[in-house]
Amino acid sequence: SAVISQKPSRDICQRGTSLTIQCQVDSQVTMMFWYRQQPGQSLTLIATANQGSEATYESGFVIDKFPISRPNLTFSTLTVSNMSPEDSSIYLCSVDRRASYGYTFGSGTRLTVV
Amino acid sequence: GDSVTQMEGPVTLSEEAFLTINCTYTATGYPSLFWYVQYPGEGLQLLLKATKADDKGSNKGFEATYRKETTSFHLEKGSVQVSDSAVYFCALSMGDSSYKLIFGSGTRLLVRP
Repeated sequence: SAVISQKPSRDICQRGTSLTIQCQVDSQVTMMFWYRQQPGQSLTLIATANQGSEATYESGFVIDKFPISRPNLTFSTLTVSNMSPEDSSIYLCSVDRRASYGYTFGSGTRLTVV
Repeated sequence: GDSVTQMEGPVTLSEEAFLTINCTYTATGYPSLFWYVQYPGEGLQLLLKATKADDKGSNKGFEATYRKETTSFHLEKGSVQVSDSAVYFCALSMGDSSYKLIFGSGTRLLVRP
């Protein structure tokens, strides 16, 4: 399965600022996924990022708040903009080449907004 | 819409006890089913998967069978260890153009020595 490097692993940020999270994959993949895991909760998909096109956002998530870049087939970034304490979560990127093979996740970015 | 329902946690067991974590799903088609595990402070790891009815996924002593008739994918292990303490997530994917995973709420397992 693919190896994913995600950084930063954690950060503490001031409210009103923005944080960009990077996800690097060791092989080319068509789609990359960004998830949010709020404290003690399950994972919720934020958006799906295809190379060369705009990301597709799930209900409740908007591009202005979570802009995503996908410049090539091995890299993506997620920005959490104008942060508030409610954005404190773990953010994870994920990839899969074929749905039936299972998905690989990055180690996550633990974000705390103060 | 498609969804996954897991049993509430936490589940607390003694070492060597038998484990069952229930998972049922609702889907309009025939999903692939997964169990993921999240150890404390770590990301998610794929534990096992099944892609069609009656398939059995297995890994590290854990097993789950894809039951279409009961729309279930219960996770079992015959003898748990302290090192199995983690949060377990059941998930499905429809394998459509979005290939996204839909997760259950997660079940925390605590194994006591």
